[in-house]
Formats: sequence, structure tokens, C-alpha cells
Amino acid sequence: DVKVTQSSRYLVKRTGEKVFLECVQDMDHENMFWYRQDPGLGLRLIYFSYDVKMKEKGDIPEGYSVSREKKERFSLILESASTNQTSMYLCASSPHRANYGYTFGSGTRLTVV
Amino acid sequence: SQQGEEDPQALSIQEGENATMNCSYKTSINNLQWYRQNSGRGLVHLILIRSNEREKHSGRLRVTLDTSKKSSSLLITASRAADTASYFCATDAFDAGRRALTFGSGTRLQVQP
Repeated sequence: DVKVTQSSRYLVKRTGEKVFLECVQDMDHENMFWYRQDPGLGLRLIYFSYDVKMKEKGDIPEGYSVSREKKERFSLILESASTNQTSMYLCASSPHRANYGYTFGSGTRLTVV
Repeated sequence: SQQGEEDPQALSIQEGENATMNCSYKTSINNLQWYRQNSGRGLVHLILIRSNEREKHSGRLRVTLDTSKKSSSLLITASRAADTASYFCATDAFDAGRRALTFGSGTRLQVQP
């Protein structure tokens, strides 16, 4: 069963900590994405990557960075966590070809205190 | 900015009834997709409709697309309590240099047994 795995379902971190959210996919997909989801705001794109070592800013990249050293792994980094980064974080992947849906992970609910 | 906006924001129906959700968007698209999200989980891809298609079926799901009105609808027939979830439309748009889906804020569907 193909899937996208996010390393943590729930995470509690302190303000100012550096936080790593890990995402691994086993489908050999070229594209990987990080979204955050907040009530009433839907999903907002943080960063995405079309290939190893490539990254593109999404709509809300401020306060975040990403790393894609291997094709199957896409990490989201909160450089210095703040309370307004408390959210549900969703990772997704898709193949490079057009007209294909995304496969999402189960999400990481991050609380910054 | 939100590309897809769902309507209504919330919908409550009885088991066996049909549920209709609508999505409007702003720019030209390659395709439009619908996803489902159970509470606190990741999104699951339901169906994709290409810009040159007008209607598509998958089991109890029927999706229509009207590119002249920039709108889509998702119909779930003979609903079941297990259909209770949030439903999101997502657009794959002709944004230069960007190949990432833009999601709306979703419709919360409650199916009463």
C-alpha cells in the first residue's frame, strides 16, 4: 500500500525551538509539498519541491525552510518556533506528470507553547 | 489567495439523501480535484476532472465542471453516515512556474444516521 508517512502525529514544542517535521514517501514521486491547515483558512502552501535539492516558496514561506536531500524525504524546518505556527501540517506527494492527484500523509498537529 | 471556494461551508443531511457541494475558482485551470478529510486526518483524493471534461462519475460521486462559470459541483448520492467528513476542492491552475494545487476552505458534511 503506497503511502506518505509523517514522522509525528502530535508534537508540542516551546517558543524559540528549532523544529523538524519529516515526511517520507514510498511512491518514487518527484513532487513533494508542505501545507498548513488552520480553521477557516483551508490549506495554505508553505513550500514545495519538484526534485532532489530543489525547492520553491509557496504562499506562506516566512519562518519556514525545507530540505530535500533524497527523493523520498522532504523535511520542513521551523527555524525558531512561534505560537502562530501552531497548526496542522500536511505533507503530500505527486508524480511529475500532469493530471494526477496528491497523496497526503496523516498530518502532524504541532502546538507551540 | 484562495483559488477555490466551497459552498456551503457546512451541510447537514439525513442518511440516504444526496449531498451537493459547490466550488468556485478564479483563474484558468488544468484540472480540478476533490478531496475528503476525516476529522484530524490527512486528505484523500476522490476524483479529478480535466478542464476539457464536463462531468465525471466514480461510484456514488458525480462531479461537474463549468469552465465558463469557473465552477464545479460534487454530488454524493445516497449518503451514508460514513460520508461525514470535510470536502475540499483544489485547482491545478495555469500559474507560471507553479505546479501546486490551491485548496479552498472546505465544506463540512454531517450525515445523520
